[in-house]
Parts: sequence; structure tokens; C-alpha cells
Amino acid sequence: DAKTTQPPSMDCAEGRAANLPCNHSTISGNEYVYWYRQIHSQGPQYIIHGLKNNETNEMASLIITEDRKSSTLILPHATLRDTAVYYCILKGVNTGTASKLTFGTGTRLQVTL
Amino acid sequence: GAGVSQTPSNKVTEKGKYVELRCDPISGHTALYWYRQSLGQGPEFLIYFQGTGAADDSGLPNDRFFAVRPEGSVSTLKIQRTERGDSAVYLCASSLTEVRGSSGANVLTFGAGSRLTVL
Repeated sequence: DAKTTQPPSMDCAEGRAANLPCNHSTISGNEYVYWYRQIHSQGPQYIIHGLKNNETNEMASLIITEDRKSSTLILPHATLRDTAVYYCILKGVNTGTASKLTFGTGTRLQVTL
Repeated sequence: GAGVSQTPSNKVTEKGKYVELRCDPISGHTALYWYRQSLGQGPEFLIYFQGTGAADDSGLPNDRFFAVRPEGSVSTLKIQRTERGDSAVYLCASSLTEVRGSSGANVLTFGAGSRLTVL
């Protein structure tokens, strides 16, 4: 699976939108963009995923550029509970082999009052 | 249970000792994964089970590490002759089996992890 690049850290004021970027310039056509987050002392938690269309769920929105070389995770109204490390991960369509996810070092988001 | 359960939550052991870490996946999840996370790093893949068999053990660092899942549910990660460098949080995750060629979400549900400290 291709590699992603994320800023090591970001700050966001509570109540404002948090926009977390991810670069994946070598993404291949069958690779999805997944986002997970990890709150301190917990295991990673799935947030959202997409292929080429923008996606939205109850947690966040995912915006993928037309060339698919980058994406942005948007938390529309960040709260203190959103303070966590956010991981952007690429994963190909299942080929019947192991469906493991490969984590990088992610972006540490600090939400402040 | 409702989530992935890992025991013990904390384990302190001495260098050279044997350790077992247990994972109870979500009922009905046939896929089970073990990851290891060192301080300041993202989770690092160790091994993946599909049912009872290890489908991919390419992440196990050496032959001191071994994992089993004899009945396709609970899994045990076993570490022999522990070293200080084995100190980390060991995470377990489970998921439903993906259909070959599917475009569905590979949603892994993680446990809270077992923190291993080797003195």
C-alpha cells in the first residue's frame, strides 16, 4: 500500500472546524483513503473512508481532490474530546490476502479552549 | 461482548521471562489482528488471522514471538525470553471478513491494548 504524509501536529480552537490534511501522491487507482484516530490510552478508532467522492458521516467529512493525490479530514465543530492522533491510511480493494492497515505516525490534533 | 477485550491491561515482567497476552474479539468477527505500538509511533502490524489460521505473520519481529487462535475466536500472543526492547503497547483488533474484490469498509475495531514493560 502507498505511503501518506501528514503534518506531525496541529492546534484547533474548540467549536471551530479542524481540517487535517494528508498527501498521498503515489496513490493507485484501487486504493481507498481511510482515517482512524487514537485518543490517549485507547486503541485506534475508525472515522471514515472514501475512494474518490467526498464522504460524510456523523463523525466527520472527507474531501478527496480530483487527482486523488491529497485529502482532508474535516471535523466540523471540534471539541476537547477530539484531541487525538489522526491517521490517514491507504488500503487497496481486498484481493483475498491480508487486509492489514499500515499506520504512519499521524497528526496530533490538540483542541484548545 | 460489545467490544474487543484485552488482558492484562498492564504487565510488568523481567528480562528473559515468558509472557502471554490475550485478546477476545467481537463475536462473529473472523479476522483478528495484532499490532505493537511503541511510544510516539503509530501501531506496527504483527500478525493477522483469518479464522484459526495465520494468514499473514510477516510483521512478527523474530521467532520469540508467536500467536495462536485455536478455535477461531480468542487469540493469545506469546513472547518468549522477553527483552527490554519488547516493551510496548500490544493492540488487538478484529473485523468481519471481507469478500474478495469488495469495496466495503475494512473497519477494524481495536481493544484498549496491553501495556508490556520489560525490566
